Amino acid sequence: DAKTTQPTSMDCAEGRAANLPCNHSTISGNEYVYWYRQIHSQGPQYIIHGLKNNETNEMASLIITEDRKSSTLILPHATLRDTAVYYCIVLSNFGNEKLTFGTGTRLTIIP
Amino acid sequence: DAGVIQSPRHEVTEMGQEVTLRCKPISGHNSLFWYRQTMMRGLELLIYFNNNVPIDDSGMPEDRFSAKMPNASFSTLKIQPSEPRDSAVYFCASSPLQVQPQHFGDGTRLSIL
Repeated sequence: DAKTTQPTSMDCAEGRAANLPCNHSTISGNEYVYWYRQIHSQGPQYIIHGLKNNETNEMASLIITEDRKSSTLILPHATLRDTAVYYCIVLSNFGNEKLTFGTGTRLTIIP
Repeated sequence: DAGVIQSPRHEVTEMGQEVTLRCKPISGHNSLFWYRQTMMRGLELLIYFNNNVPIDDSGMPEDRFSAKMPNASFSTLKIQPSEPRDSAVYFCASSPLQVQPQHFGDGTRLSIL
């Protein structure tokens, strides 16, 4: 019962913006969109999250559509170190809710 | 700031042996989570604690698995006896109480021969 759908894989040229889409058409009003990534041999790393407004931090930007049914994670200037599996997760902001990692998008940055 | 610290990073042992994985959460975080990651099943939540108390252990696969959190700065995940199908990467994560996001350690890669 997947709450999100993401492309299986994507490539992006080094230095370009990487745009990773996520569909979450059944998102409810109190649910946030979270993005994590997992670099090979490391634990998942939190990137960013948002409710309905666009968000930006030092790592990335998150664009959420007005109807909140989809979002896009943007890495503005991708580097080789951004090669990882990126997970889009929908959940409420309370810690008791389980983080459910789907299959994510394998992003490969091409030199 | 130190992140979540897990030990050992790698463990190789023979089936039937007891295995103990250790985790030190980020100071001040009151929620702690144990996950397991395999190629077949992806990342699965095994158990989590709030204020050192186990809240949900429905993900623990069998009675061979047990987890404890004797204090706010330490948790263990024990497998006894271990079996080859327990081979996986085990992650520990912590977060402020009842609040996302979770911060993950670098995991323990466990191989049971």
